[in-house]
Amino acid sequence: DAGVTQSPTHLIKTRGQQVTLRCSPKSGHDTVSWYQQALGQGPQFIFQYYEEEERQRGNFPDRFSGHQFPNYSSELNVNALLLGDSALYLCASSLEPGHRQHDTEAFFGQGTRLTVV
Amino acid sequence: LAKTTQPISMDSYEGQEVNITCSHNNIATNDYITWYQQFPSQGPRFIIQGYKTKVTNEVASLFIPADRKSSTLSLPRVSLSDTAVYYCLVEGEGGSYIPTFGRGTSLIVHP
Repeated sequence: DAGVTQSPTHLIKTRGQQVTLRCSPKSGHDTVSWYQQALGQGPQFIFQYYEEEERQRGNFPDRFSGHQFPNYSSELNVNALLLGDSALYLCASSLEPGHRQHDTEAFFGQGTRLTVV
Repeated sequence: LAKTTQPISMDSYEGQEVNITCSHNNIATNDYITWYQQFPSQGPRFIIQGYKTKVTNEVASLFIPADRKSSTLSLPRVSLSDTAVYYCLVEGEGGSYIPTFGRGTSLIVHP
């Protein structure tokens, strides 16, 4: 089991550009959440996808959008990049609450390090 | 979502037991307590989860008092490789499963 895989691992973009990050969830998981982690901070929730729809969203602008595919993989898109978007972007997969046991945890990928210059 | 409070940093030495306490005064009846570990430039990794009393696995123990307003992660005989940031989360079993992170506790283990 490959666990959660994210690509690319590192990325450098110019201010104003657009970026797409990709995530493949752990086998058997149907829910994908995206997080942004700035240096020295805890991960901040961006949004969560289940059944190809955005189910919940954190306090992030519309420049941040996503998609989930029928195979449960997901993409995070960020438009009009700002210097402040530089961060580690994490993807986490889990089972939809109605499908999981009490002791099921979220599995995180290694993240994509995005640098905006 | 219940808010958690934990120390910003802790120091320890190899071979010692480390206890990190987290306060979650507004924990709801359906909430579980989960701890994650994160190394630099890696995603958080699940350590342990519990609802009440004591839970133990091969990595750590989790102590939860009867009122569940706090919890203590216990790491036995830490080594240098346990240097990491530890996050305490309170997550509802019902509804959407969205791990919500605070700033965590930065544990540094010294030789």
